[in-house]
Amino acid sequence: AQSVTQLDSHVSVSEGTPVLLRCNYSSSYSPSLFWYVQHPNKGLQLLLKYTSAATLVKGINGFEAEFKKSETSFHLTKPSAHMSDAAEYFCVVSDPDSWGKLQFGAGTQVVVTP
Amino acid sequence: DTEVTQTPKHLVMGMTNKKSLKCEQHMGHRAMYWYKQKAKKPPELMFVYSYEKLSINESVPSRFSPECPNSSLLNLHLHALQPEDSALYLCASSQDGNTDTQYFGPGTRLTVL
Repeated sequence: AQSVTQLDSHVSVSEGTPVLLRCNYSSSYSPSLFWYVQHPNKGLQLLLKYTSAATLVKGINGFEAEFKKSETSFHLTKPSAHMSDAAEYFCVVSDPDSWGKLQFGAGTQVVVTP
Repeated sequence: DTEVTQTPKHLVMGMTNKKSLKCEQHMGHRAMYWYKQKAKKPPELMFVYSYEKLSINESVPSRFSPECPNSSLLNLHLHALQPEDSALYLCASSQDGNTDTQYFGPGTRLTVL
């Protein structure tokens, strides 16, 4: 069975400072892991995807995530936050036998202050 | 191009109305999905179509009726909805099922009066 825990429901950062969003997962297999971002009243946009090719995954808009199997973690980082990064972020896991069913974390709301 | 389009953007309907939501993708994807998202919550899967056949129904009430007329189109027919059905309805598509990346549309904001 797969599950995802996002360790922070709310993160507040100042513009120009680093952002860290934490995600732990549980999976019986070698999962695919995703980070999606959702701006208010919008759909979900894919930030990045891990599929075992490389443990450090670079995504769009300066985001990257590191897969650590020993810690079952897939934390998302960005060196310097921008006002446009204010949004809801979802960590998502998909097992090979899940037949299209994604397991979403509860989400982390990011607030960026000037 | 990884675009999934959804119409309408907003929909207000009464509990006795019949309406439909439409989703379209031209990426050649063979799996399409409907999700329901309530405020401050992650999306919840409703239906999965794979190669135009319904493969997953997450015990959704029959007042929601999906339809996949062809590989590019996905509809969600709504009838006799309840106020608690008010939500953002998201469509997604992927190359195939399993661990393929799902690409989401912008959603339809539904309000049931």
